[in-house]
Amino acid sequence: ILNVEQSPQSLHVQEGDSTNFTCSFPSSNFYALHWYRWETAKSPEALFVMTLNGDEKKKGRISATLNTKEGYSYLYIKGSQPEDSATYLCAFYDYKLSFGAGTTVTVRA
Amino acid sequence: DVKVTQSSRYLVKRTGEKVFLECVQDMDHENMFWYRQDPGLGLRLIYFSYDVKMKEKGDIPEGYSVSREKKERFSLILESASTNQTSMYLCASRTAGQSSYEQYFGPGTRLTVT
Repeated sequence: ILNVEQSPQSLHVQEGDSTNFTCSFPSSNFYALHWYRWETAKSPEALFVMTLNGDEKKKGRISATLNTKEGYSYLYIKGSQPEDSATYLCAFYDYKLSFGAGTTVTVRA
Repeated sequence: DVKVTQSSRYLVKRTGEKVFLECVQDMDHENMFWYRQDPGLGLRLIYFSYDVKMKEKGDIPEGYSVSREKKERFSLILESASTNQTSMYLCASRTAGQSSYEQYFGPGTRLTVT
């Protein structure tokens, strides 16, 4: 079982503030790193799939960076809104996905 | 829109019962997966299937089996349910091939075994 770690486990953010959190994964035999957002009572949905060292992806106010050599990815939320409240999962692809435990973000109005 | 559906959102079963969890996807995906999610743990892979009638054990297959007779349907079977199988079960599917292909998830089944 591959070791994929996310930190922090949870965080609370004031509306309008920016935040970021980390996913660390094995730095050898890299294929892809996936980010998913899982809102309460909904299905997890893909945010980004990152495949190249140095990749930066952006979707609205959410962006992610990737460092495959040192084995980490950051996810950033700029100007957090209540609708950003969710659990954010990262997953390392090695012919199947190995998920981290997630970072649960709560945005306070 | 890709749709992955699961037969039940909530299920309550007794210890020792045989339990079937059904998953159907409508995008002709080759690969299908069953995960369970428990507090403080990531999604853990139980079984997956590359194509019809094919199955592979995931990280925690003990106490489970699967069936894939048709491409769109992937069933998870708890042969004799136990209380430690109380969990949220998620099904997912994806196109075969590239590591960059995302997975599409169903809404989950919250199973309680009493």
